[in-house]
Amino acid sequence: DAKTTQPPSMDCAEGRAANLPCNHSTISGNEYVYWYRQIHSQGPQYIIHGLKNNETNEMASLIITEDRKSSTLILPHATLRDTAVYYCIVPLPGNTPLVFGKGTRLSVIA
Amino acid sequence: GAGVSQSPRYKVAKRGQDVALRCDPISGHVSLFWYQQALGQGPEFLTYFQNEAQLDKSGLPSDRFFAERPEGSVSTLKIQRTQQEDSAVYLCASSTGLAVYNEQFFGPGTRLTVL
Repeated sequence: DAKTTQPPSMDCAEGRAANLPCNHSTISGNEYVYWYRQIHSQGPQYIIHGLKNNETNEMASLIITEDRKSSTLILPHATLRDTAVYYCIVPLPGNTPLVFGKGTRLSVIA
Repeated sequence: GAGVSQSPRYKVAKRGQDVALRCDPISGHVSLFWYQQALGQGPEFLTYFQNEAQLDKSGLPSDRFFAERPEGSVSTLKIQRTQQEDSAVYLCASSTGLAVYNEQFFGPGTRLTVL
């Protein structure tokens, strides 16, 4: 798996956009970037994934740089329920185990 | 539809006891993964099944850990002669098994405490 680097923690005010960065400088051309999050005492939850184009779904947006060496997960209007650990993962192609790392602990503050 | 379920949600075992943790994946999901999550750490891969075949068990920490999925649906993770270092949350995830995507659906986990 390509190694990813994330800041250990971030704060965000409720209602503001949360921008979570991830570096994956060793990513290969056919490897996707996946984001999962884990709310306290729950299992991880898939958020979004992308290859090279920006992606948006009902949960978040994913912005991938043109050289694909970094990406940003954007929660457009963070709520208290978005407080969680966010993991940026670049798994080997196909149906392979996920390597989680330590992630970014996002605290949304009222 | 139902998601991934795991039972029991909590298990307390005395050191040396054997435990069995159950995972019910989403119906029709071909792939099933087990992960171990120590306190304050991210989940770490243990083993992986494609239908009933165990394709990768490289993450199992010792030969006291054994997993099976005999009919390609429900899976059981068994830990023999539990030790205190086995205390962790054990997570199960399933996926459709399509080659391109890697969206895994996780259960709530089983929290194992070994005294």
